[in-house]
Amino acid sequence: AQTVTQSQPEMSVQEAETVTLSCTYDTSESDYYLFWYKQPPSRQMILVIRQEAYKQQNATENRFSVNFQKAAKSFSLKISDSQLGDAAMYFCALRPSGNTPLVFGKGTRLSVIA
Amino acid sequence: GAGVSQSPSNKVTEKGKDVELRCDPISGHTALYWYRQSLGQGLEFLIYFQGNSAPDKSGLPSDRFSAERTGGSVSTLTIQRTQQEDSAVYLCASSLKGRGTGELFFGEGSRLTVL
Repeated sequence: AQTVTQSQPEMSVQEAETVTLSCTYDTSESDYYLFWYKQPPSRQMILVIRQEAYKQQNATENRFSVNFQKAAKSFSLKISDSQLGDAAMYFCALRPSGNTPLVFGKGTRLSVIA
Repeated sequence: GAGVSQSPSNKVTEKGKDVELRCDPISGHTALYWYRQSLGQGLEFLIYFQGNSAPDKSGLPSDRFSAERTGGSVSTLTIQRTQQEDSAVYLCASSLKGRGTGELFFGEGSRLTVL
């Protein structure tokens, strides 16, 4: 079975500061994708960043970067220079190989303090 | 359309009534997924369609839930004899055939409230 665990139900960060959201997962697959999705109050799930498991280099998208530790099955998201618009629910997700559905964690609610 | 479209955006119904939720995926996407998001919870997988293959129904919580996908495009999720615990946001997503980037594209969801 595939599982994704987000141990931080809520986090807060001061505007312009850096915050790290934690995610651990479990899968028996050797090839898979990992994702961070953002869900603002509008409910629209927006892809923040993705990581292919076979790539050792950590993915980066502007202010967003990940720390992917494959052996530890850890996939944390770092948000640098936090902005008010970053406030949202953040979901970590795992997609095992093949055309399989994503498995999601329960999410972390991020608040950004002005 | 440019994105995944879902309707209705909000639905309030009485316990015991049937409801239908619609999803129109991104043009050209052959894979379609339904998820349920209960208040304060993560996303719970319900059902998955891939092209003409038999759907993966392993996530449907009971036989009151069913879904179909007509012509490989639009999908309808039907909940019969609704119960209060069915109240949730129902999210639809689509993706390209094959793994591609692996990314799912989501609609804005349908919020169902069962009174």
